[in-house]
Amino acid sequence: QVNLLQSGAALVKPGASVKLSCKASGYTFTDYYIHWVKQSHGKSLEWIGYINPNSGYTNYNEKFKSKATLTVDKSTNTAYMELSRLTSEDSATYYCTRSELAYWGQGTLVTVSS
Amino acid sequence: DIVMTQSPSSLAVSAGDKVTMSCKSSQSLLSSEYQGNYLSWFQQKPGQSPKLLISLASTRETGVPDRFIGSGSGTDFTLTISSVQAEDLAVYYCEQYYSYPTFGGGTKLELK
Repeated sequence: QVNLLQSGAALVKPGASVKLSCKASGYTFTDYYIHWVKQSHGKSLEWIGYINPNSGYTNYNEKFKSKATLTVDKSTNTAYMELSRLTSEDSATYYCTRSELAYWGQGTLVTVSS
Repeated sequence: DIVMTQSPSSLAVSAGDKVTMSCKSSQSLLSSEYQGNYLSWFQQKPGQSPKLLISLASTRETGVPDRFIGSGSGTDFTLTISSVQAEDLAVYYCEQYYSYPTFGGGTKLELK
């Protein structure tokens, strides 16, 4: 069965960067895009962008273009999202999800605090 | 950006009630090429990831109970739960994928 396993919660200092992971299993990794979605506490969902694991092609929401960098490691079926220059506005749960958004990871809580 | 507006923001229900919630988009989600509306509905329970219920405005995902009914076209869409069960208490989001994905603000289903 399809499974997306995300890395654990992260506590990071303002101005720092963090790299989140999303390990896929149960399907051919290169056949489906991986999307990333942000959910601030108690708020709705925001699409960050997607990556094509086969080609490495990325497409970002304009709002997150200078914030997020999406990469993959095909050898380990893992997608990554690096968030840079973190502020309190970046504190949120981040989800990875497969094409059509039918399968989701469990989410990674990122807390930005000194 | 395509803006998605959901109403109401919350709804108090009793088990067995018929529930209707609305989702409106700032532009049409109807693809003339594929003859489908690029609109999905998600259910999110506390502490859980969103779960895809319906895509293409009215196509239920495998395993989704038939009490969940999606309808509408163009810019106006509706999710109906024909007879609410206790396990349906959650937040429901609509999402468009006509252009880069955007989500509505959600409708929270609560117990009366």
